[in-house]
Amino acid sequence: EAGVAQSPRYKIIEKRQSVAFWCNPISGHATLYWYQQILGQGPKLLIQFQNNGVVDDSQLPKDRFSAERLKGVDSTLKIQPAKLEDSAVYLCASSSTGGNQPQHFGDGTRLSIL
Amino acid sequence: QKEVEQNSGPLSVPEGAIASLNCTYSDRGSQSFFWYRQYSGKSPELIMSIYSNGDKEDGRFTAQLNKASQYVSLLIRDSQPSDSATYLCAVFYNNAGNMLTFGGGTRLMVKP
Repeated sequence: EAGVAQSPRYKIIEKRQSVAFWCNPISGHATLYWYQQILGQGPKLLIQFQNNGVVDDSQLPKDRFSAERLKGVDSTLKIQPAKLEDSAVYLCASSSTGGNQPQHFGDGTRLSIL
Repeated sequence: QKEVEQNSGPLSVPEGAIASLNCTYSDRGSQSFFWYRQYSGKSPELIMSIYSNGDKEDGRFTAQLNKASQYVSLLIRDSQPSDSATYLCAVFYNNAGNMLTFGGGTRLMVKP
């Protein structure tokens, strides 16, 4: 079974630029999550999708972050404009049905803001 | 605010010893608990899940849950250098938001 795929693995941009990350979940997984993990901290949930609908985006900084999952499979997360404090690893995870089902993570995108 | 607390470590144990990792959480409504292992520069990998009070064993790993005291622990028997990683405790709150909340992780170092 293929795991969660993410790209790119690394991204370096200057502050105020924009960036986008892509995620393809495990086949058949209805629920998709985006997390931000700052160095030395645990992952923090940014947004959760159930199929193509948003379940929770309470911790997403909506003035600069946006995410979509238009066809209920792949998802993109965008930051525009980026700030220095956005430097982190952005992890995508998926689970079969959401709720308390185990989540499986992709390798993440390491973002550095100069 | 729902919180999950872990000692950041590092916790250092000799090879072959038992490593004990602890986690406390703030919300009594929590229903599901997970332990993830994260090697440096890698993504979190699920190693254990536990849903009811008591112990759950899987190979060298044992998860222990005590809902009355609001803590969950992970024991690693016969620790190996390959177990050196950061261990993340995650708690699922089945309330508004249905959010999985992670602790900051405990860094484990197993010395040969």
